[in-house]
Amino acid sequence: QVQLVQSGAEVKKPGASVKVSCKSSGYTFTSYNIYWVRQAPGQGLEWMGIINPSGGNRTYAQRFQGRVTMTRGTSTGTVYMELSSLRSEDTAVYYCATGPSDSNGSLPFWGQGTLVTVS
Amino acid sequence: EIVLTQSPGTLSLSPGERATLSCRASQSVFSTYLAWYQQKPGQAPRLLIYGASSRATGIPERFSGSGSGTDFTLTISRLEPEDFAVYYCQQYGSSPLTFGGGTKVEIK
Repeated sequence: QVQLVQSGAEVKKPGASVKVSCKSSGYTFTSYNIYWVRQAPGQGLEWMGIINPSGGNRTYAQRFQGRVTMTRGTSTGTVYMELSSLRSEDTAVYYCATGPSDSNGSLPFWGQGTLVTVS
Repeated sequence: EIVLTQSPGTLSLSPGERATLSCRASQSVFSTYLAWYQQKPGQAPRLLIYGASSRATGIPERFSGSGSGTDFTLTISRLEPEDFAVYYCQQYGSSPLTFGGGTKVEIK
């Protein structure tokens, strides 16, 4: 079955960077795009961007342009999301999510989430 | 960017009652690429509905979605105790993908 396992919680100081990993299993890694979504405490869901693990193409939400970098390790089936110049407003749970190509952007599979605290 | 507005913000109902949740888009959603998710505290969202009206794998029949264009509805025919949660709509027809602000369904 499809599984996404994320790295553990992080505490960072303002101005630092954080790198969250998302390891996939149960499907061909290069077949499904990986999406990143974050959720601030008590708030809604916010899409950050998408990476195609096959060619490495990525699209970032405009508000994160210049601060976010999504990469992949094809040999390990892992995708990474790095966010720089952290500020307190970046405190949130960060999720990776995926689905088959015909899901077109609906997201049936989610990681467990990674809490990033900026303080 | 398509803005999704969900209403009501909170819905107070009893088990066995019918829940009707609304999601309105600021512009037409391409090809009914509209999904609904359920989220419980401390958990990742769970996909319920995609393509506005198709149930995801393993989702009970009491969950149904409808709508097109700019107006969409999630209906839970008879609330079970495990259905009390927050529900989000999401459009994925155009970039950026966007989510609604959520509707909390709470026990009355």
